[in-house]
Amino acid sequence: GQNIDQPTEMTATEGAIVQINCTYQTSGFNGLFWYQQHAGEAPTFLSYNVLDGLEEKGRFSSFLSRSKGYSYLLLKELQMKDSASYLCAVTDSNYQLIWGAGTKLIIKP
Amino acid sequence: GAVVSQHPSRVICKSGTSVKIECRSLDFQATTMFWYRQFPKQSLMLMATSNEGSKATYEQGVEKDKFLINHASLTLSTLTVTSAHPEDSSFYICSARVPGGRETQYFGPGTRLLVL
Repeated sequence: GQNIDQPTEMTATEGAIVQINCTYQTSGFNGLFWYQQHAGEAPTFLSYNVLDGLEEKGRFSSFLSRSKGYSYLLLKELQMKDSASYLCAVTDSNYQLIWGAGTKLIIKP
Repeated sequence: GAVVSQHPSRVICKSGTSVKIECRSLDFQATTMFWYRQFPKQSLMLMATSNEGSKATYEQGVEKDKFLINHASLTLSTLTVTSAHPEDSSFYICSARVPGGRETQYFGPGTRLLVL
């Protein structure tokens, strides 16, 4: 079956760095997405990886290793507003988007 | 990024009534749109894939006669919750896929439905 695993919840301190991991097992691979979802709101697009390596976008970076079925989202200089759920999603061979359950990130002052 | 709007943002209705939710892609044409439902503190659940000019593809367990989807144009998909009941109360979110390239989905702001 198709499966995406990410931690349920993480806690970090304001100003610090946090890495949210995502592992996947899907039938084929056509890209991996990270979305941010604040409580009560719809998800917003953060990043897309289809080739191995690190994609940097401001304070957020996303890494992909296709051979390991692994990705991480790295958040630097954490701010209180970064408290949200972070969703990992993979596009399979049929271009279906398979969603992880999300990681709730709690930022403490 | 691409902009997707959704209307209404919030609706309260009586049990037994039907509710229509609109999803529009504002600055691009979306041949494919998606409808999700999300209960409090739970993950997104894909309900159906809406394809312009053809019938929607529903996920297992989603009643197609209860959740009517119409994708009449390249910028508009509608979801109608027919004969709504309190257990249909949820956060309904649509997304539209930008054609070509990354197949990125952009989400509308969501519609919070409360059925009394």
